[in-house]
Amino acid sequence: AQSVTQLGSHVSVSEGALVLLRCNYSSSVPPYLFWYVQYPNQGLQLLLKYTSAATLVKGINGFEAEFKKSETSFHLTKPSAHMSDAAEYFCAVSDPQNTGNQFYFGTGTSLTVIP
Amino acid sequence: DAGVIQSPRHEVTEMGQEVTLRCKLISGHNSLFWYRQTMMRGLELLIYFNNNVPIDDSGMPEDRFSAKMPNASFSTLKIQPSEPRDSAVYFCASSLYGGGTDTQYFGPGTRLTVL
Repeated sequence: AQSVTQLGSHVSVSEGALVLLRCNYSSSVPPYLFWYVQYPNQGLQLLLKYTSAATLVKGINGFEAEFKKSETSFHLTKPSAHMSDAAEYFCAVSDPQNTGNQFYFGTGTSLTVIP
Repeated sequence: DAGVIQSPRHEVTEMGQEVTLRCKLISGHNSLFWYRQTMMRGLELLIYFNNNVPIDDSGMPEDRFSAKMPNASFSTLKIQPSEPRDSAVYFCASSLYGGGTDTQYFGPGTRLTVL
């Protein structure tokens, strides 16, 4: 079975500081991994995804994530936080061998950006 | 292009009443997902359709919940009778093929309150 764990349900950073949101996955096979962002009162929007190509994935709004198989991690980073980055971030995993195509979402990390 | 459309955006009802949530997929998408989001349980997949056929409904809480796709572009999620514990934000999402690498596009959600 697939699962993801997001460490830290709340993260606060100062504007301009590095953003690091952690995601670790559990999978018996190399998974597909995703980061989604949810702004207040909106649906989820894809930030980036890893589908077994380059391990460093660049997404929208300056975010990127690196797939590290040895650490079973897919942490999300952004060099300099902006006020508009304040949102809920979800890591998700899917099993490429699962024809049922179930996505498993983490519990989310709420990012606060302090002026 | 219009994104995923959900209606209503907010629904307040009394316990025991029937509730119907509606979703219009992005044109050309073949897969449809219904999710429920609560503070306690996070984001849960309720049911997944591919080409109008329910593939996995293991996340549907109980028989009070039912989902249909009467055509390729539209879906309903019905709760009958509704209970206060059903209060949540319900999202639908669509994807092009339903494959494991496929991006899911989320609607804005329906916030359901059952009194």
